[in-house]
Amino acid sequence: SQTIHQWPATLVQPVGSPLSLECTVEGTSNPNLYWYRQAAGRGLQLLFYSVGIGQISSEVPQNLSASRPQDRQFILSSKKLLLSDSGFYLCAWSVLRTGGSGANVLTFGAGSRLTVL
Amino acid sequence: AQSVTQLGSHVSVSEGALVLLRCNYSSSVPPYLFWYVQYPNQGLQLLLKYTTGATLVKGINGFEAEFKKSETSFHLTKPSAHMSDAAEYFCAVSEEGSNYQLIWGAGTKLIIKP
Repeated sequence: SQTIHQWPATLVQPVGSPLSLECTVEGTSNPNLYWYRQAAGRGLQLLFYSVGIGQISSEVPQNLSASRPQDRQFILSSKKLLLSDSGFYLCAWSVLRTGGSGANVLTFGAGSRLTVL
Repeated sequence: AQSVTQLGSHVSVSEGALVLLRCNYSSSVPPYLFWYVQYPNQGLQLLLKYTTGATLVKGINGFEAEFKKSETSFHLTKPSAHMSDAAEYFCAVSEEGSNYQLIWGAGTKLIIKP
């Protein structure tokens, strides 16, 4: 069966420090991978998605970047955190192929809560 | 552009009462429709989805939703609320024209009163 792991689960970082959140998927190959953010009192915001190794699409301009060094690994990074980067970060995967048909069902990780002080 | 509206950021019901969470979308073509649930400090879990066929869809934990094309709605219901249903619920839509990317509603927090 497929599983998705995110770590760390919680993180408290000072303003200006770097960030690295990691997500890995097991039990599937060539998944679509996603990073979402939930800020306090706000809904889900898609940050990045990837349909393959080295292929990253950015949905909103921000202080963050994403990388996909391996097929089932997705990393969210920042060189210098801002207070506004605080939030709950969710990684997700799906198996819908670009140009395919059918429902794009996302499966989410447990999330990483980032507090920037 | 496609949009999803969830009426009510918070909905409060008594334990044992009917749960009704509303979702309307703006697509002009039949979309794919989803409901996800998020318990505190956890990721999202798929409750149910509509793709094609029967418009009444049954999901996990006793929830169901009905796709009504004429009303562009996909409301989520449960006949009898349990305390364990307290969570945030998200409606989402995808369609072929948007490369099947999900468009999310803002979420509705369901509060269960004892």
